[in-house]
Amino acid sequence: ETGVTQSPTHLIKTRGQQVTLRCSSQSGHNTVSWYQQALGQGPQFIFQYYREEENGRGNFPPRFSGLQFPNYSSELNVNALELDDSALYLCASSMGGSYGYTFGSGTRLTVV
Amino acid sequence: EDQVTQSPEALRLQEGESSSLNCSYTVSGLRGLFWYRQDPGKGPEFLFTLYSAGEEKEKERLKATLTKKESFLHITAPKPEDSATYLCAVQARAGTALIFGKGTTLSVSS
Repeated sequence: ETGVTQSPTHLIKTRGQQVTLRCSSQSGHNTVSWYQQALGQGPQFIFQYYREEENGRGNFPPRFSGLQFPNYSSELNVNALELDDSALYLCASSMGGSYGYTFGSGTRLTVV
Repeated sequence: EDQVTQSPEALRLQEGESSSLNCSYTVSGLRGLFWYRQDPGKGPEFLFTLYSAGEEKEKERLKATLTKKESFLHITAPKPEDSATYLCAVQARAGTALIFGKGTTLSVSS
């Protein structure tokens, strides 16, 4: 197992810009979820992909979008960045069903 | 609406002073309850999954229990290295995303 790897680890963007965050899941994990964690808060669910199709979405606007690729990698795209988008973005993967989720170390995004 | 509430928000313990963290939940059909540990600036690290009321799991100084409305994470004789934020999450249906509480930040001093 290689774990879940996220890149970059830190990122600073200007309000209005666009950003792409990347995640490499564990081999065989066909489900990937993305979470936003503001300082002092628990992770908030953004969306989930199962076998390259979105199968769940939290209360986030359409400017948050994503993709999952056949090689177990995925990405989160955020358009028109706002100051409130500053947070730790977490990727988590699972074999699905009732298996637990393995989290990456996250990408710290700062919007100025 | 599915919801997870953790208490207390913060807990300070002396080394060796045992205590418990609470996670209460309301969910339509619990598939699993998860406990994670999170160190500052890091991603959550998996600790336990509990599936049904009455189930208990242990790992070193940690023991997790589950009832129909809440879960407890018992910490026995904690050490400073147990200092972290402990997150509780529920999964309502198989394959769906986790719903997290805000966490309990534990500080253990020697």
